[in-house]
Amino acid sequence: DVKVTQSSRYLVKRTGEKVFLECVQDMDHENMFWYRQDPGLGLRLIYFSYDVKMKEKGDIPEGYSVSREKKERFSLILESASTNQTSMYLCASSQWGEQYFGPGTRLTVT
Amino acid sequence: SQKIEQNSEALNIQEGKTATLTCNYTNYSPAYLQWYRQDPGRGPVFLLLIRENEKEKRKERLKVTFDTTLKQSLFHITASQPADSATYLCALAITGGFKTIFGAGTRLFVKA
Repeated sequence: DVKVTQSSRYLVKRTGEKVFLECVQDMDHENMFWYRQDPGLGLRLIYFSYDVKMKEKGDIPEGYSVSREKKERFSLILESASTNQTSMYLCASSQWGEQYFGPGTRLTVT
Repeated sequence: SQKIEQNSEALNIQEGKTATLTCNYTNYSPAYLQWYRQDPGRGPVFLLLIRENEKEKRKERLKVTFDTTLKQSLFHITASQPADSATYLCALAITGGFKTIFGAGTRLFVKA
């Protein structure tokens, strides 16, 4: 069965902290994605990766970076967390069309 | 600007009726369109994918239509059940399919 896991369900961090969100998929998918989801705005793409060590900016990459050292793992890094990065973060993977999502990490920055 | 629009108002229907949700888009040439279901506090779950050269797709009680002239997709749930209550997201795949743009979703409530 397809599985995407995220390192935490809930996370509380302080302004200015460096934050790491990790995502692991067990489907050998080439493509992985990071989104944030805010009420009324839907899912917005932060970054995606179509191969190991390859990455592309999405619609809202500012304040974020990513790392993909292994095929199964895609990390999202908030270099210096700010309150406007409080959100639900969703990771997904895909091979061709449909995307498989993790359970999400609800991040609160205080 | 590029947009995907789903009805932001919740849809309330009676059990057994057909629910119809709408997705409209502008300024895209999508490779394909997808529908996802999302329950509160959870990640979206893929339901159906329809390609630009397909008019209709069915899966059990679900049906999706795709009109690239009108730039619209309709998502139908027949014989709806309270368990169908959720938020439904429309998504367009562009740029060779790597990049997917999601709508904000429509909340569906099915009353028993």
